[in-house]
Amino acid sequence: AQSVTQPDIHITVSEGASLELRCNYSYGATPYLFWYVQSPGQGLQLLLKYFSGDTLVQGIKGFEAEFKRSQSSFNLRKPSVHWSDAAEYFCAQSGGYNKLIFGAGTRLAVHP
Amino acid sequence: DGGITQSPKYLFRKEGQNVTLSCEQNLNHDAMYWYRQDPGQGLRLIYYSQIVNDFQKGDIAEGYSVSREKKESFPLTVTSAQKNPTAFYLCASRFNEKLFFGSGTQLSVL
Repeated sequence: AQSVTQPDIHITVSEGASLELRCNYSYGATPYLFWYVQSPGQGLQLLLKYFSGDTLVQGIKGFEAEFKRSQSSFNLRKPSVHWSDAAEYFCAQSGGYNKLIFGAGTRLAVHP
Repeated sequence: DGGITQSPKYLFRKEGQNVTLSCEQNLNHDAMYWYRQDPGQGLRLIYYSQIVNDFQKGDIAEGYSVSREKKESFPLTVTSAQKNPTAFYLCASRFNEKLFFGSGTQLSVL
């Protein structure tokens, strides 16, 4: 079965530090991959997506992600974290029949 | 403003009761989805609908029912058969492979 793995349940970084959130997908020669962000008690907002082409994709709020087929990974990065980036981040993969399969999420805390 | 509206924000269910969560969209999207979110488990698909008057079960449909009589509306009923309904429920619509989410309904059991 298809699955998306986010190995880190919780990450804490200092404001201004760099950030990398890991994501591994399990299926597909050409997967459709997504990163979403969720603030507490809210819905999810799309940060960025990868369908094909350039393996480094830029998103909103200064985030980027790199698709690495050899590692089945789609890690999310940000060079300098702001306190407002504290949230939960979900990696997702298109699962056929127009469904998305989500990872369990990584909760990001930012220290001042 | 265009978007997905979920109501109510908070809902309480008594033992043996059915409750219905509302989801309305004015984005003119054909496809709509219901996800359940539990802490540490990410989002799991309950039901989805590609078009009016048609819907399919997702991965955890047992104890839930839906209808899609109008393009704009995709209500979810949590039946008494769902023994562990406490969760955060998210409705979404889809366009060009992107999901657009509502702000969710927190359902709790009294």
